[in-house]
Amino acid sequence: ELKVEQNPLFLSMQEGKNYTIYCNYSTTSDRLYWYRQDPGKSLESLFVLLSNGAVKQEGRLMASLDTKARLSTLHITAAVHDLSATYFCAVGASMNRDDKIIFGKGTRLHILP
Amino acid sequence: DSGVTQTPKHLITATGQRVTLRCSPRSGDLSVYWYQQSLDQGLQFLIQYYNGEERAKGNILERFSAQQFPDLHSELNLSSLELGDSALYFCASSPTGVETQYFGPGTRLLVL
Repeated sequence: ELKVEQNPLFLSMQEGKNYTIYCNYSTTSDRLYWYRQDPGKSLESLFVLLSNGAVKQEGRLMASLDTKARLSTLHITAAVHDLSATYFCAVGASMNRDDKIIFGKGTRLHILP
Repeated sequence: DSGVTQTPKHLITATGQRVTLRCSPRSGDLSVYWYQQSLDQGLQFLIQYYNGEERAKGNILERFSAQQFPDLHSELNLSSLELGDSALYFCASSPTGVETQYFGPGTRLLVL
């Protein structure tokens, strides 16, 4: 069974600091997604990672994927208040000729001004 | 604005009833996904369609069904509704099925 674990689930940090959100998953996957959700809003796709060693960056956010360790990270550099949101990782896998997408529980990030 | 539209935005209904949620994908996107978000279950993938065909099935209950029409819009049918079906239902679309997904604003369903 494919399981996805995100940690931490809650994170409060000061502006200007760096931090990393971790996403571990339990079985082989061929794609990993990161999403952002603001309170009361829909999801916004941040990154899609498709291969081992993939690294993508957008502004202060950088995502990486290590398929051997079954681990993806979302690194926040010099955090700003606007990055406060809930971040989800989701793992896609083909199982029994059927594709599945499993989400982590999300990391609620609160950046203090 | 992602370009994905969902109707209705809000829906209040009673247990035992049936409802239909509608999704129009971004122009040119062939793949449509449905997700459920609730406090109890978190975010769950329900089902994916690609160019009219079912491509992947997640935790979709037997009381729920979906389809994608020739014009690529999709409908999610929820029947014999229970209190626990109260949730946000999101639709997303992508060009072929493995790239970035674009999410609609969601339909908030309340079952009383």
